[in-house]
Amino acid sequence: ETGVTQTPRHLVMGMTNKKSLKCEQHLGHNAMYWYKQSAKKPLELMFVYSLEERVENNSVPSRFSPECPNSSHLFLHLHTLQPEDSALYLCASSQEVVGGGLYNEQFFGPGTRLTVL
Amino acid sequence: GENVEQHPSTLSVQEGDSAVIKCTYSDSASNYFPWYKQELGKGPQLIIDIRSNVGEKKDQRIAVTLNKTAKHFSLHITETQPEDSAVYFCAARGNNFNKFYFGSGTKLNVKP
Repeated sequence: ETGVTQTPRHLVMGMTNKKSLKCEQHLGHNAMYWYKQSAKKPLELMFVYSLEERVENNSVPSRFSPECPNSSHLFLHLHTLQPEDSALYLCASSQEVVGGGLYNEQFFGPGTRLTVL
Repeated sequence: GENVEQHPSTLSVQEGDSAVIKCTYSDSASNYFPWYKQELGKGPQLIIDIRSNVGEKKDQRIAVTLNKTAKHFSLHITETQPEDSAVYFCAARGNNFNKFYFGSGTKLNVKP
């Protein structure tokens, strides 16, 4: 176990549904990330939260809405998704130092396998 | 932005042989290069990393080499075992310390 948990592990939803993915880290880290992993493509960074503030939004469609209520929890709210959004959604966390300068490992959760019908 | 390319996409070796996976990057400012192993049904896990001020690092059967001039780095696995079978990802991180760029992955199959 990496100390990062994700629920649910599997999710099937219709295009008109609204659902949320949850991530929790038990490592005391101050940065959390959402990645999308599609078949035969590099991991795509979606969002980054550092000290509970969103610091990165990689041109992700508005049908994906992140929320970081505290440094241990991260959500990804989903609505009106498309079939091409089907993928493995990975959450990660790391301990970052303000101003950078350190090379800190990202710890990944097991992912949520999302299927959009 | 950074662009990381990884080769090969699939690699099949006999148990006991060595496996080498190569990555190139485009941004000379990148200074941290981790390698991740992803087993079926799990998220990626760090197996080894290297900083830009080091040319080589070894941890038991796993080693990573970095050539900053050529902007490429490689993962070497010696005496491969069936449990090494997984997908391996390289990554590069630059001055934006929150942002990692990943390669497209190599599926390694170690045949017993």
